[in-house]
Amino acid sequence: AQKVTQAQTEISVVEKEDVTLDCVYETRDTTYYLFWYKQPPSGELVFLIRRNSFDEQNEISGRYSWNFQKSTSSFNFTITASQVVDSAVYFCALRSMWSDKLIFGTGTRLQVFP
Amino acid sequence: EPEVTQTPSHQVTQMGQEVILRCVPISNHLYFYWYRQILGQKVEFLVSFYNNEISEKSEIFDDQFSVERPDGSNFTLKIRSTKLEDSAMYFCASRTPPDTQYFGPGTRLTVL
Repeated sequence: AQKVTQAQTEISVVEKEDVTLDCVYETRDTTYYLFWYKQPPSGELVFLIRRNSFDEQNEISGRYSWNFQKSTSSFNFTITASQVVDSAVYFCALRSMWSDKLIFGTGTRLQVFP
Repeated sequence: EPEVTQTPSHQVTQMGQEVILRCVPISNHLYFYWYRQILGQKVEFLVSFYNNEISEKSEIFDDQFSVERPDGSNFTLKIRSTKLEDSAMYFCASRTPPDTQYFGPGTRLTVL
């Protein structure tokens, strides 16, 4: 069975703090894809990043960075110097190579206070 | 930048009524999806559609649901006889290789 766990239900930080959102996944597949999506208060789902299971290189995009570790089945997301506009629900998702569906975690609500 | 669009943004209906949710996927995409999100919960897969047929569906996608691509641009989700528990946000998504699903803004369905 495939599963995505986001143990942090809600995180509150003050602006300019760094924050890490955890994601742990379960799959028996050797080839799979991991994703992060952002859901701001307006409700849409905004794609942030996709990672293939065979590429463990970490990625940085501006204030965002992702740490993919197959050994611990984790794909964590760090926001550096958080801003109020980062306030949203963040979803981690998994897709097997053999399936067409995204399996989402329960999401982490991030609140950044000024 | 191309995006997935959905109409209406909010639909209110009476229990037992039929509803059709509409989506216009990104124009060169070949794979289409519907997901739903009950308020405050996680996003759940309903169905995927490729080459004019369903390629995968979840247990949620029972006989009351159907999908259609009536023309070259629209992709619809029909719920035949709505129930209270169908109240949710419904997201359409589309993709073309490599493998990133882009989501529309969602349709909030309220069943009274």
